[in-house]
Amino acid sequence: SQQGEEDPQALSIQEGENATMNCSYKTSINNLQWYRQNSGRGLVHLILIRSNEREKHSGRLRVTLDTSKKSSSLLITASRAADTASYFCATDEKAAGNKLTFGGGTRVLVKP
Amino acid sequence: DGGITQSPKYLFRKEGQNVTLSCEQNLNHDAMYWYRQDPGQGLRLIYYSQIVNDFQKGDIAEGYSVSREKKESFPLTVTSAQKNPTAFYLCASSIAGGSGELFFGEGSRLTVL
Repeated sequence: SQQGEEDPQALSIQEGENATMNCSYKTSINNLQWYRQNSGRGLVHLILIRSNEREKHSGRLRVTLDTSKKSSSLLITASRAADTASYFCATDEKAAGNKLTFGGGTRVLVKP
Repeated sequence: DGGITQSPKYLFRKEGQNVTLSCEQNLNHDAMYWYRQDPGQGLRLIYYSQIVNDFQKGDIAEGYSVSREKKESFPLTVTSAQKNPTAFYLCASSIAGGSGELFFGEGSRLTVL
């Protein structure tokens, strides 16, 4: 079963622009995480936001969480060609025990 | 450097053969996981283990088997019962419990000929 659903599925922007992607989920969570995956590689953890947090920053990344709407957003500011990757949200559902459920991802292309 | 090592990176298998994918970590993590990723898709959980000699089925365990005899190692066997095994397999580990950050290996791509 898929808990998180990312939107859009794909995004193409010019270098220097901001990229925003959203994640919606269905059930109560303990935390939500964002990961990045370069083509053919493993995933790399970007940021974790807990259910009692509303916003978190890490470098050029900004994550928001709205538990009332069961949604999160990831903003990448001043994008670079090296930001080209797929981005996944993952949720730690309260009812699912100690495991993460991943969404289908947003494929981001940053054109130089 | 600490990390997770998956091998082989590429593997080809004939139909009807079992294959075993290796996953080793030197991060001293208690929990380990196997995920399957199909082209353009997210990750689906196959099996996970939170402690040595114990493991649980994930969402798509049918046709797969695992063992956890050592803390550092969590091999995955793709059996001939798995009807559509061609996929990208990712191993991950976490400190404990799975609600924290996952550390991933570089993946193993299995192709059935």
